[in-house]
Amino acid sequence: AQSVSQHNHHVILSEAASLELGCNYSYGGTVNLFWYVQYPGQHLQLLLKYFSGDPLVKGIKGFEAEFIKSKFSFNLRKPSVQWSDTAEYFCAVNSRGATNKLIFGTGTLLAVQP
Amino acid sequence: EPEVTQTPSHQVTQMGQEVILRCVPISNHLYFYWYRQILGQKVEFLVSFYNNEISEKSEIFDDQFSVERPDGSNFTLKIRSTKLEDSAMYFCASSEGNGNQPQHFGDGTRLSIL
Repeated sequence: AQSVSQHNHHVILSEAASLELGCNYSYGGTVNLFWYVQYPGQHLQLLLKYFSGDPLVKGIKGFEAEFIKSKFSFNLRKPSVQWSDTAEYFCAVNSRGATNKLIFGTGTLLAVQP
Repeated sequence: EPEVTQTPSHQVTQMGQEVILRCVPISNHLYFYWYRQILGQKVEFLVSFYNNEISEKSEIFDDQFSVERPDGSNFTLKIRSTKLEDSAMYFCASSEGNGNQPQHFGDGTRLSIL
């Protein structure tokens, strides 16, 4: 069965620190990969997505993610976090062509201290 | 930027009662979805809807649940004879197309069953 694992459940960083959130998926076919962010009291917003091509994708607000097929990973990175990045981050996957449903990870709660 | 809107933001219902959660997807989107998130757990797919019919549903989406697009703008989730374990955050989403088209989420409806 398809699954998504996010290994960091709660991350606390100081402003200007670098961020890397892990995401691994389990699926035998070709996938589309997504990172969503949920700021306090707001809806899930798309940060970035990977469908094909360059495995390093850039999203909004300075975030990027790298798809490493051999490791079934799609880690999210940001070189320097800000207090406003405090939010919950969700990795999600769907299988290309077979289904639209998104399979989500458990989420990572990021707290950035000023 | 167009948004998916959901009403109500919070619904409190007695066990055994029926509840209808409402969503207005983005106007030019063709695919509609419901997800739920039980407190402390992953966001889970419930159902997808396209061309006035269910295109996919999860094992959670049993006979207790139904979806409808009663007019050109609304998309509803009905839960009959609610149970305590139906308490969760319910998210509506829509997308322009399938597969690699990103899904846009609403703010969610928090359903509390007493």
